[in-house]
Amino acid sequence: AQKITQTQPGMFVQEKEAVTLDCTYDTSDPSYGLFWYKQPSSGEMIFLIYQGSYDQQNATEGRYSLNFQKARKSANLVISASQLGDSAMYFCAMKENDYKLSFGAGTTVTVRA
Amino acid sequence: GAGVSQSPSNKVTEKGKDVELRCDPISGHTALYWYRQRLGQGLEFLIYFQGNSAPDKSGLPSDRFSAERTGESVSTLTIQRTQQEDSAVYLCASSLQGTHTDTQYFGPGTRLTVL
Repeated sequence: AQKITQTQPGMFVQEKEAVTLDCTYDTSDPSYGLFWYKQPSSGEMIFLIYQGSYDQQNATEGRYSLNFQKARKSANLVISASQLGDSAMYFCAMKENDYKLSFGAGTTVTVRA
Repeated sequence: GAGVSQSPSNKVTEKGKDVELRCDPISGHTALYWYRQRLGQGLEFLIYFQGNSAPDKSGLPSDRFSAERTGESVSTLTIQRTQQEDSAVYLCASSLQGTHTDTQYFGPGTRLTVL
C-alpha cells in the first residue's frame, strides 16, 4: 500500500503568491516523522521542513509552513510569497518507527513571473 | 560544514559491466543511506548503515547490488553485471543517529546510465 500520496503531479503559481502542496500518509504507528524535500533541476534533495507526530504546533521554517492535520493524516506544505527559485520538484516523505524514508511521487512546482 | 558528497556525478556504462559508486557522509553522522530514483519518480530505499551494526539490506533489488561502509565514513555501492533497468540516479544520505526524528541530508547523487 502506498504510504505517501501526492495527488498533484504539477502546479503553476504566480510569483509572490502562496501555493499549497498536498500530502496524505498512511501509517498505524503512533510515532512518526513527516518531511518535505525540494529537488531542483540540479537533482540534489534539499531538506525543507519536519513535523513530528506528537508536535502540537504546525512546523514553520521561513516561507515554508506545514499544515498538519493528524486526524485526516495530511501534511500539506505551504510556500508563501513564491519566488522564481522555488520552481522545483517537491517530495513529501515519512519515517515510521525505523529509519527508512518513504517518499511520495512528488509535485512539480513552476513559478511564473 | 561540508555536506554529503558523491562520486562520480555521472557514470555511463555498458550492459554487463560492474560499477562502483562512492558516498562521503557528513562528518559525525553515524547513519548512512542509499536510495535510487528512477526518472520522474520518488526515491526507493536501498540500504542503511548505522555505526557498527549489521546493515539493513532489505531494499536491495537483487543480489547484483551490494554496499559496504568503512566504520562511520565512506560507503561504496556496487552494481555487478549492470542492466538497462539499473539506469537511475543513486542518492546517498546521512543523518546524525538514524532515529525516526532524524533529518537525512542528501548528496547530489550519481546519475547512472546503462547502455
